[in-house]
Amino acid sequence: DTGVSQNPRHKITKRGQNVTFRCDPISEHNRLYWYRQTLGQGPEFLTYFQNEAQLEKSRLLSDRFSAERPKGSFSTLEIQRTEQGDSAMYLCASSLARGLAAPQFFGPGTRLTVL
Amino acid sequence: SQQGEEDPQALSIQEGENATMNCSYKTSINNLQWYRQNSGRGLVHLILIRSNEREKHSGRLRVTLDTSKKSSSLLITASRAADTASYFCATDAGNSGGSNYKLTFGKGTLLTVNP
Repeated sequence: DTGVSQNPRHKITKRGQNVTFRCDPISEHNRLYWYRQTLGQGPEFLTYFQNEAQLEKSRLLSDRFSAERPKGSFSTLEIQRTEQGDSAMYLCASSLARGLAAPQFFGPGTRLTVL
Repeated sequence: SQQGEEDPQALSIQEGENATMNCSYKTSINNLQWYRQNSGRGLVHLILIRSNEREKHSGRLRVTLDTSKKSSSLLITASRAADTASYFCATDAGNSGGSNYKLTFGKGTLLTVNP
């Protein structure tokens, strides 16, 4: 399967714990995005990488959130000191952008439940 | 914040009928994309229409874009039960170089196709 993959698919944690999610994009894609989606809403942009550089972080991404893409390939999203409000589906997407409009390809998501 | 707004919020039709979903947005865009999401899963890219295009077709899908009205429509012809899903429009605001890096999604239209 050459699509975007995300692990784990589900994560249940207790409030205050740290969690880390992984995203493996489509191999030749230079852009990688993280979105968050809550029930009944569309995805909301969190952050974006061009190769290994993180170029923008949404105001939704508090200091408890950190994302990396160390070698311009896979990416991790860490949430420290989780809160119940962090419960959501976290979606990763990638695209091959060369200045023209490019579709984003999404992974299946990681569903986080904070108890 | 959500830029796009889909209308209707929910649509129920019989198999074989056509389904039309509308999307309105607020700011100027580089392109507009439609995605499908099956219950609890990741998003699947359907079609991308650039701001200088007025209509695009892909199989049973037809998308129109009216930048003067800041609106788009997605038509699915000869619907099937497998088309049951949530449909989202997403806008790419772009920049002087072309495609921007983030999509702004609406809340989606829940389409139910009854067999």
